Amino acid sequence: RKEVEQDPGPFNVPEGATVAFNCTYSNSASQSFFWYRQDCRKEPKLLMSVYSSGNEDGRFTAQLNRASQYISLLIRDSKLSDSATYLCVVNRGSGSARQLTFGSGTQLTVLP
Amino acid sequence: EADIYQTPRYLVIGTGKKITLECSQTMGHDKMYWYQQDPGMELHLIHYSYGVNSTEKGDLSSESTVSRIRTEHFPLTLESARPSHTSQYLCASLGFRAGELFFGEGSRLTVL
Repeated sequence: RKEVEQDPGPFNVPEGATVAFNCTYSNSASQSFFWYRQDCRKEPKLLMSVYSSGNEDGRFTAQLNRASQYISLLIRDSKLSDSATYLCVVNRGSGSARQLTFGSGTQLTVLP
Repeated sequence: EADIYQTPRYLVIGTGKKITLECSQTMGHDKMYWYQQDPGMELHLIHYSYGVNSTEKGDLSSESTVSRIRTEHFPLTLESARPSHTSQYLCASLGFRAGELFFGEGSRLTVL
């Protein structure tokens, strides 16, 4: 079983739709969680951290469920520019990226 | 924009050649990383460094080697390239915000 699992998609949604991605992780000792975005043939970039109480950044909402070991990303009012692959990232330790594990990503295409 | 640079962006080379992928960052980050990513697949950590003269192997076994003689420079070397080395290699440094990796644009290597 992979340490971080994501539905690969692709998710094809119309502009303005709300879309949600889930990610599960297997290591219960995981301490921090992140969503990265990777555009086609580009490098990944940090989208947002995921806090225990859930957090919002504009149209993006991230939530964490430690009991069930999953995190989610909700995108409201999706834009064409949201088309990308969204990577779930789990940190098993603190500080060092040595323990960052990347999921294989969920591909989103927002259609006009 | 992150100040981390990789060269070459694209390299097509014959089997048996020695190659060096360059990575430089001007942000003063101590921790640097090399990831390998095949199309549609997750990132795999192959090397990391916590500072000058510190290098360690990552989770994915790799025949490449790295060096860290200067803080800003973290080159990756393949002594004898093989077709199985064909992949994208992404260099990253860890910023001061938890979990924030800054990636270079990647080096796409094709070994014929």
